Amino acid sequence: GAVVSQHPSRVICKSGTSVKIECRSLDFQATTMFWYRQFPKQSLMLMATSNEGSKATYEQGVEKDKFLINHASLTLSTLTVTSAHPEDSSFYICSATTGVYNEQFFGPGTRLTVL
Amino acid sequence: AQRVTQPEKLLSVFKGAPVELKCNYSYSGSPELFWYVQYSRQRLQLLLRHISRESIKGFTADLNKGETSFHLKKPFAQEEDSAMYYCALRAYSGAGSYQLTFGKGTKLSVIP
Repeated sequence: GAVVSQHPSRVICKSGTSVKIECRSLDFQATTMFWYRQFPKQSLMLMATSNEGSKATYEQGVEKDKFLINHASLTLSTLTVTSAHPEDSSFYICSATTGVYNEQFFGPGTRLTVL
Repeated sequence: AQRVTQPEKLLSVFKGAPVELKCNYSYSGSPELFWYVQYSRQRLQLLLRHISRESIKGFTADLNKGETSFHLKKPFAQEEDSAMYYCALRAYSGAGSYQLTFGKGTKLSVIP
């Protein structure tokens, strides 16, 4: 199956700093990428949907100025957590698909810890 | 808005016993349902989808629109089935976009 990678797998940062997480589709072109957030023992919550070359669509309650998403190419999307705070600590997972109605392939996730 | 409910956080069964992981949904449109599995230290991956009516690794799931359910079943559990299972519903979210709504997941533990 198609492979999606995320980098870094784990990051620890100080409060107030910004962190960038990359999501790459390694062997296919992803027209759409999704960003999810997962709290411990909770389900995946969709944060935003991004289509290559256009602005991301954020879910209700997700601050677009805090979680900046850039989908600059068909194989790369980035999520930047700006001015991170301890409550932003979570597991961030991306997924990618070749079309809006096609299977989503998930990345391994990035564990963010904000001190 | 759509919602997916998995009532059991944890399900423990003995090897060889039947397994049923429950999933109920609420959605005003025509639902498309999936089961995803996450093995220990691995990424989330698609197990099966209702539209395919397939059996993967011995698992099956039938969409019951009357009961708004999509329970996952396997007649004989194996140790390697131990994992986290998520039920998900795909719904149209507007502007030509579809999104997945996940249940909270059920951790299946198969006892040798």
